[in-house]
Amino acid sequence: EPEVTQTPSHQVTQMGQEVILRCVPISNHLYFYWYRQILGQKVEFLVSFYNNEISEKSEIFDDQFSVERPDGSNFTLKIRSTKLEDSAMYFCASSGGTGLYNEQFFGPGTRLTVL
Amino acid sequence: DQQVKQNSPSLSVQEGRISILNCDYTNSMFDYFLWYKKYPAEGPTFLISISSIKDKNEDGRFTVFLNKSAKHLSLHIVPSQPGDSAVYFCAASHGELTFGKGTLLTVNP
Repeated sequence: EPEVTQTPSHQVTQMGQEVILRCVPISNHLYFYWYRQILGQKVEFLVSFYNNEISEKSEIFDDQFSVERPDGSNFTLKIRSTKLEDSAMYFCASSGGTGLYNEQFFGPGTRLTVL
Repeated sequence: DQQVKQNSPSLSVQEGRISILNCDYTNSMFDYFLWYKKYPAEGPTFLISISSIKDKNEDGRFTVFLNKSAKHLSLHIVPSQPGDSAVYFCAASHGELTFGKGTLLTVNP
């Protein structure tokens, strides 16, 4: 069964450093998403991506964040200068469509720890 | 601004009984609702969904009910099994997903 994969599973970094979180969405999906979950809080939407551009983003997704689909399979989230409050689980998701019947399939997540 | 609310942080039921998980929303623009199950150290797993034009959707032991006038949906699991123990997230969609905070379901043998 196709699945979304994410690497690394755990990333530890120093405050101010850049991190890149990687995702391989399901191969025939066209819509890609990043969410995060700070420990003990709800899953929060960060950004959606379609046709090589951002389609929606939340207020969390500020200038420190960027996304890219560098090739036909990977989807990355970059945080330029990490802050302590960026520590969270980051989930990538993909879907074949949007709007009605928008089942998004999630990856296992990357735990980001900023020291 | 909690557009999707799950007011019960936890629920405990006996194996074989019914589990009812509740969710309320405030944004009338939401047109699609989903339930996800999440085990520790894993990503959310899609469980069942319902569009705003329906009031019920059933899939095996799982049934989701939608009451649009009350802006309320619920997930019924019957019979509950110990393997159902997980955090259940309600999510609403008008494009991206807006999640509730989750309800930890514990099914006791």
